[in-house]
Amino acid sequence: DTVLTQSPALAVSPGERVTISCRASESVSTLMHWYQQKPGQQPKLLIYLASHLESGVPARFSGSGSGTDFTLTIDPVEADDTATYYCQQSWNDPYTFGAGTKLELK
Amino acid sequence: QVTLKESGPGILQPSHTLSLTCSFSGFSLSTYGMGVSWIRQPSGKGLEWLASIWWNGNTYNNPSLKSRLTVSKDTSNNQAFLKVTSVDTADTATYYCAHTKYYGYNYYWGQGVMVTVSS
Repeated sequence: DTVLTQSPALAVSPGERVTISCRASESVSTLMHWYQQKPGQQPKLLIYLASHLESGVPARFSGSGSGTDFTLTIDPVEADDTATYYCQQSWNDPYTFGAGTKLELK
Repeated sequence: QVTLKESGPGILQPSHTLSLTCSFSGFSLSTYGMGVSWIRQPSGKGLEWLASIWWNGNTYNNPSLKSRLTVSKDTSNNQAFLKVTSVDTADTATYYCAHTKYYGYNYYWGQGVMVTVSS
């Protein structure tokens, strides 16, 4: 299975720029997607196909990368962005998720 | 507007079969490129992709669950179904269904249904 490795947690101040990384154990081309999950809620799609911003998602969110290294950037971070962020690949079977990065605001 | 809602038994005993229903609106599972997927999340843990069913009837099951999974659909009634056989406590989780697009990303998720396996 393709393992997606994410940093477990980050803490930033409102107004700062934060990058959340996701490294794949093998190439996933650009079939990497990002979700935001707040406590008690279902995940929400933010970025699909590595860099495409989902409709209705603030332009503060952006994605980049290809192959094995991907980044989700939030700039600037707002208090409402407190959540866990998951990457997910759909290039290799089975589809897999990263373990999630918990973003906390100072 | 796309909506999905999962329904299921809530609690069931080990070795029994879990049956879940996903009722959706805002898209059709007969339209090219459309799919419904099942993903689960144990409390406090990460996400695991279980199975998908596509507009053309093709299905995908996560090999980690071997042959325990069956996914199906009722296109006329806008429903998708998941069966998990021989459940045990490790299957305790919140189960989500999601509207999956052709390239394998989950465009919209249901609110999830909590399933507890306990004797």
